[in-house]
Amino acid sequence: GENVEQHPSTLSVQEGDSAVIKCTYSDSASNYFPWYKQELGKGPQLIIDIRSNVGEKKDQRIAVTLNKTAKHFSLHITETQPEDSAVYFCAGANQAGTALIFGKGTTLSVSS
Amino acid sequence: ETGVTQSPTHLIKTRGQQVTLRCSSQSGHNTVSWYQQALGQGPQFIFQYYREEENGRGNFPPRFSGLQFPNYSSELNVNALELDDSALYLCASSLIQEDTGELFFGEGSRLTVL
Repeated sequence: GENVEQHPSTLSVQEGDSAVIKCTYSDSASNYFPWYKQELGKGPQLIIDIRSNVGEKKDQRIAVTLNKTAKHFSLHITETQPEDSAVYFCAGANQAGTALIFGKGTTLSVSS
Repeated sequence: ETGVTQSPTHLIKTRGQQVTLRCSSQSGHNTVSWYQQALGQGPQFIFQYYREEENGRGNFPPRFSGLQFPNYSSELNVNALELDDSALYLCASSLIQEDTGELFFGEGSRLTVL
């Protein structure tokens, strides 16, 4: 079935460093790949997304790249700040477009 | 603009009982999806409701059921609770016509089954 794998599961960086989280997906029909940030006690919040007809998208310090041939996509956060500390989830839309299949999450810790 | 609201925020049940969780969708949204998030895991799709009907379902047994009302709010019902049902239940709303796929999540209802 459809599957999204995410790594690393934990990532610790110093403030100002860059952080990269990688995901692979199994369903070649997937065409929508969002990234969500979840802070303690809150629901996931969309931070950036990309569609399969685009290779890269950037929003200030956050960027996402997509390699459709290799079926992997990555989140890049530059100039990390302590408030970036959270759990990050990648996801891919299922074939029917009715659901998101989530990875298991990456806990990012940014120390000052 | 009112965001997605869920109730209750926390509840404790015993095995075999039944539970109803409620969700009010974001203003202007017509689609509601429910996800189960076990501790340390990513959210798992339970089902989606559009026009008061189930519009897609994940790998969950029939004891998980739902409703969507004319005002687009929704309920998730779980019968015959099992210990493994302990999780954070997330409701997400969206506008199906936009086809953006973006989901707006509530803060969840944390269910503990003893």
